[in-house]
Amino acid sequence: DQQVKQNSPSLSVQEGRISILNCDYTNSMFDYFLWYKKYPAEGPTFLISISSIKDKNEDGRFTVFLNKSAKHLSLHIVPSQPGDSAVYFCAASSTDYKLSFGAGTTVTVRA
Amino acid sequence: DAGVIQSPRHEVTEMGQEVTLRCKPISGHNSLFWYRQTMMRGLELLIYFNNNVPIDDSGMPEDRFSAKMPNASFSTLKIQPSEPRDSAVYFCASSVGSGPGRPQHFGDGTRLSIL
Repeated sequence: DQQVKQNSPSLSVQEGRISILNCDYTNSMFDYFLWYKKYPAEGPTFLISISSIKDKNEDGRFTVFLNKSAKHLSLHIVPSQPGDSAVYFCAASSTDYKLSFGAGTTVTVRA
Repeated sequence: DAGVIQSPRHEVTEMGQEVTLRCKPISGHNSLFWYRQTMMRGLELLIYFNNNVPIDDSGMPEDRFSAKMPNASFSTLKIQPSEPRDSAVYFCASSVGSGPGRPQHFGDGTRLSIL
Protein backbone atom coordinates (compact mmCIF):
# COMPACT_ATOMS: atom_id res chain seq x y z
CA ASP A 1 0.00 0.00 0.00
CA GLN A 2 2.13 2.82 -1.32
CA GLN A 3 0.73 5.99 0.20
CA VAL A 4 3.60 8.11 -1.11
CA LYS A 5 4.58 7.80 -4.73
CA GLN A 6 7.53 9.13 -6.65
CA ASN A 7 6.70 8.16 -10.20
CA SER A 8 9.98 9.23 -11.77
CA PRO A 9 12.72 6.80 -10.79
CA SER A 10 15.42 8.99 -12.30
CA LEU A 11 16.15 12.51 -13.46
CA SER A 12 19.11 13.85 -15.41
CA VAL A 13 19.81 17.57 -15.44
CA GLN A 14 22.61 19.82 -16.60
CA GLU A 15 24.66 21.65 -14.02
CA GLY A 16 23.24 25.10 -13.37
CA ARG A 17 19.72 24.21 -14.49
CA ILE A 18 16.68 23.53 -12.33
CA SER A 19 15.87 20.06 -10.98
CA ILE A 20 12.20 19.38 -10.27
CA LEU A 21 11.28 16.28 -8.31
CA ASN A 22 7.66 15.27 -7.88
CA CYS A 23 5.79 13.37 -5.21
CA ASP A 24 2.14 12.35 -4.88
CA TYR A 25 0.34 11.05 -1.81
CA THR A 26 -2.99 9.38 -1.22
CA ASN A 27 -3.57 9.72 2.52
CA SER A 28 -5.45 12.95 3.28
CA MET A 29 -4.41 12.65 6.94
CA PHE A 30 -0.81 13.47 6.08
CA ASP A 31 -0.01 16.95 7.33
CA TYR A 32 3.78 17.11 7.26
CA PHE A 33 6.08 16.39 4.38
CA LEU A 34 9.83 15.95 4.20
CA TRP A 35 12.53 15.44 1.61
CA TYR A 36 15.60 13.35 2.34
CA LYS A 37 18.74 13.04 0.26
CA LYS A 38 20.81 9.87 0.13
CA TYR A 39 24.29 9.22 -1.19
CA PRO A 40 25.46 5.65 -1.90
CA ALA A 41 26.51 3.70 1.20
CA GLU A 42 25.19 6.43 3.49
CA GLY A 43 21.95 6.94 5.34
CA PRO A 44 19.25 9.40 4.23
CA THR A 45 19.91 12.99 5.30
CA PHE A 46 17.09 15.41 6.06
CA LEU A 47 16.91 18.17 3.47
CA ILE A 48 13.77 20.26 3.84
CA SER A 49 10.21 19.96 5.12
CA ILE A 50 6.83 21.64 4.87
CA SER A 51 3.75 21.70 7.03
CA SER A 52 0.33 21.36 5.44
CA ILE A 53 -0.56 24.87 6.58
CA LYS A 54 1.96 26.24 4.09
CA ASP A 55 2.25 25.93 0.35
CA LYS A 56 5.91 26.81 0.00
CA ASN A 57 9.09 26.53 2.01
CA GLU A 58 12.48 27.71 0.85
CA ASP A 59 15.98 26.97 2.13
CA GLY A 60 18.80 28.27 -0.01
CA ARG A 61 18.77 26.46 -3.35
CA PHE A 62 15.97 24.15 -2.24
CA THR A 63 12.26 24.97 -2.38
CA VAL A 64 9.38 22.65 -1.63
CA PHE A 65 5.91 23.37 -2.97
CA LEU A 66 2.75 21.75 -1.62
CA ASN A 67 -0.57 21.50 -3.44
CA LYS A 68 -2.97 19.97 -0.92
CA SER A 69 -5.94 19.82 -3.25
CA ALA A 70 -3.94 17.78 -5.73
CA LYS A 71 -2.13 15.82 -2.99
CA HIS A 72 1.10 16.73 -4.71
CA LEU A 73 4.41 18.19 -3.66
CA SER A 74 7.55 19.03 -5.53
CA LEU A 75 11.15 19.85 -4.71
CA HIS A 76 12.97 22.43 -6.80
CA ILE A 77 16.76 22.66 -6.77
CA VAL A 78 18.14 25.81 -8.35
CA PRO A 79 20.83 25.88 -9.58
CA SER A 80 21.68 22.19 -9.69
CA GLN A 81 25.25 21.29 -8.72
CA PRO A 82 27.27 18.09 -9.19
CA GLY A 83 27.07 17.43 -5.44
CA ASP A 84 23.29 17.24 -5.76
CA SER A 85 23.62 13.91 -7.57
CA ALA A 86 21.94 11.53 -5.14
CA VAL A 87 18.69 9.68 -4.45
CA TYR A 88 15.91 11.90 -3.13
CA PHE A 89 13.13 10.47 -0.98
CA CYS A 90 9.82 12.13 -0.34
CA ALA A 91 8.25 11.28 3.04
CA ALA A 92 4.98 12.12 4.73
CA SER A 93 3.50 11.83 8.19
CA SER A 94 0.37 12.59 10.12
CA THR A 95 0.64 13.98 13.64
CA ASP A 96 2.75 11.12 14.89
CA TYR A 97 6.15 9.54 14.46
CA LYS A 98 5.48 7.33 11.46
CA LEU A 99 7.04 8.37 8.15
CA SER A 100 5.84 6.90 4.88
CA PHE A 101 8.55 7.06 2.24
CA GLY A 102 8.36 7.14 -1.51
CA ALA A 103 10.54 4.86 -3.61
CA GLY A 104 13.04 7.61 -4.39
CA THR A 105 14.22 9.52 -7.45
CA THR A 106 17.84 9.28 -8.56
CA VAL A 107 19.14 12.66 -9.68
CA THR A 108 22.19 12.90 -11.91
CA VAL A 109 23.65 16.34 -12.49
CA ARG A 110 25.71 16.48 -15.69
CA ALA A 111 28.68 18.81 -15.96
CA ASP B 1 28.84 16.01 16.83
CA ALA B 2 28.76 12.30 16.15
CA GLY B 3 25.81 11.10 14.17
CA VAL B 4 23.92 7.84 14.56
CA ILE B 5 26.44 5.02 14.61
CA GLN B 6 25.58 1.57 13.32
CA SER B 7 27.62 -1.61 13.37
CA PRO B 8 28.56 -3.66 11.57
CA ARG B 9 28.45 -1.86 8.22
CA HIS B 10 28.29 -5.14 6.36
CA GLU B 11 27.27 -8.60 7.51
CA VAL B 12 27.33 -11.78 5.48
CA THR B 13 26.15 -14.94 7.16
CA GLU B 14 24.54 -18.24 6.38
CA MET B 15 20.88 -18.92 6.69
CA GLY B 16 19.84 -20.09 10.13
CA GLN B 17 22.47 -18.07 11.95
CA GLU B 18 21.65 -15.38 14.50
CA VAL B 19 22.31 -11.83 13.39
CA THR B 20 22.64 -8.85 15.73
CA LEU B 21 22.70 -5.30 14.44
CA ARG B 22 23.74 -2.46 16.73
CA CYS B 23 22.89 1.21 16.95
CA LYS B 24 24.09 4.14 19.01
CA PRO B 25 21.71 7.10 18.66
CA ILE B 26 22.73 10.73 18.81
CA SER B 27 23.27 11.82 22.40
CA GLY B 28 20.19 13.58 23.75
CA HIS B 29 17.82 12.01 21.24
CA ASN B 30 15.03 10.12 22.97
CA SER B 31 13.33 8.56 19.95
CA LEU B 32 14.87 5.67 18.05
CA PHE B 33 13.70 3.96 14.89
CA TRP B 34 14.75 0.83 13.02
CA TYR B 35 14.05 0.74 9.27
CA ARG B 36 14.61 -1.83 6.55
CA GLN B 37 15.23 -0.92 2.92
CA THR B 38 14.60 -3.40 0.12
CA MET B 39 14.09 -3.00 -3.61
CA MET B 40 10.57 -4.37 -3.38
CA ARG B 41 9.25 -2.45 -0.38
CA GLY B 42 11.52 0.58 -0.12
CA LEU B 43 12.12 2.07 3.32
CA GLU B 44 9.78 0.65 5.94
CA LEU B 45 9.61 1.24 9.66
CA LEU B 46 10.20 -1.87 11.75
CA ILE B 47 10.02 -0.55 15.30
CA TYR B 48 9.93 2.73 17.21
CA PHE B 49 11.24 3.37 20.73
CA ASN B 50 10.53 6.41 22.84
CA ASN B 51 12.57 6.90 26.02
CA ASN B 52 13.87 3.33 25.63
CA VAL B 53 10.36 1.85 25.56
CA PRO B 54 9.05 0.09 22.43
CA ILE B 55 6.01 2.05 21.31
CA ASP B 56 5.20 0.52 17.94
CA ASP B 57 6.56 -2.80 16.70
CA SER B 58 3.84 -3.40 14.13
CA GLY B 59 6.40 -3.28 11.34
CA MET B 60 8.46 -6.17 12.67
CA PRO B 61 7.88 -8.80 10.00
CA GLU B 62 7.97 -11.98 12.08
CA ASP B 63 8.73 -13.35 15.50
CA ARG B 64 12.23 -14.07 14.26
CA PHE B 65 12.86 -10.34 14.61
CA SER B 66 13.34 -8.71 17.99
CA ALA B 67 14.67 -5.36 19.15
CA LYS B 68 15.84 -4.02 22.47
CA MET B 69 16.91 -0.70 23.88
CA PRO B 70 18.50 -1.35 27.26
CA ASN B 71 19.57 2.28 27.71
CA ALA B 72 19.41 5.65 25.99
CA SER B 73 22.63 5.12 24.07
CA PHE B 74 22.26 1.63 22.65
CA SER B 75 19.82 -0.50 20.71
CA THR B 76 19.98 -3.87 19.00
CA LEU B 77 17.97 -5.54 16.27
CA LYS B 78 18.24 -9.31 16.29
CA ILE B 79 17.18 -11.86 13.70
CA GLN B 80 17.09 -15.49 14.80
CA PRO B 81 17.09 -17.63 12.74
CA SER B 82 18.01 -15.58 9.68
CA GLU B 83 16.65 -16.35 6.21
CA PRO B 84 17.78 -15.23 2.72
CA ARG B 85 14.71 -12.97 2.40
CA ASP B 86 16.01 -10.94 5.34
CA SER B 87 18.78 -9.63 3.10
CA ALA B 88 18.41 -5.85 3.03
CA VAL B 89 19.92 -2.63 4.31
CA TYR B 90 18.88 -1.91 7.88
CA PHE B 91 18.92 1.67 9.10
CA CYS B 92 18.71 3.07 12.57
CA ALA B 93 17.49 6.65 13.06
CA SER B 94 17.04 8.90 16.05
CA SER B 95 15.33 12.18 16.81
CA VAL B 96 14.60 14.57 19.65
CA GLY B 97 11.04 13.66 20.41
CA SER B 98 8.89 12.45 17.58
CA GLY B 99 6.26 13.71 15.22
CA PRO B 100 6.14 16.49 12.66
CA GLY B 101 8.90 19.03 12.76
CA ARG B 102 11.36 16.64 14.34
CA PRO B 103 13.44 15.19 11.50
CA GLN B 104 14.89 11.77 11.98
CA HIS B 105 18.67 11.44 11.67
CA PHE B 106 19.79 8.23 10.02
CA GLY B 107 22.88 6.13 10.45
CA ASP B 108 24.76 4.80 7.43
CA GLY B 109 23.06 1.43 7.66
CA THR B 110 24.04 -2.22 7.87
CA ARG B 111 24.01 -4.14 4.61
CA LEU B 112 22.92 -7.66 5.52
CA SER B 113 23.32 -10.61 3.20
CA ILE B 114 21.97 -14.00 4.20
CA LEU B 115 23.29 -16.83 2.06
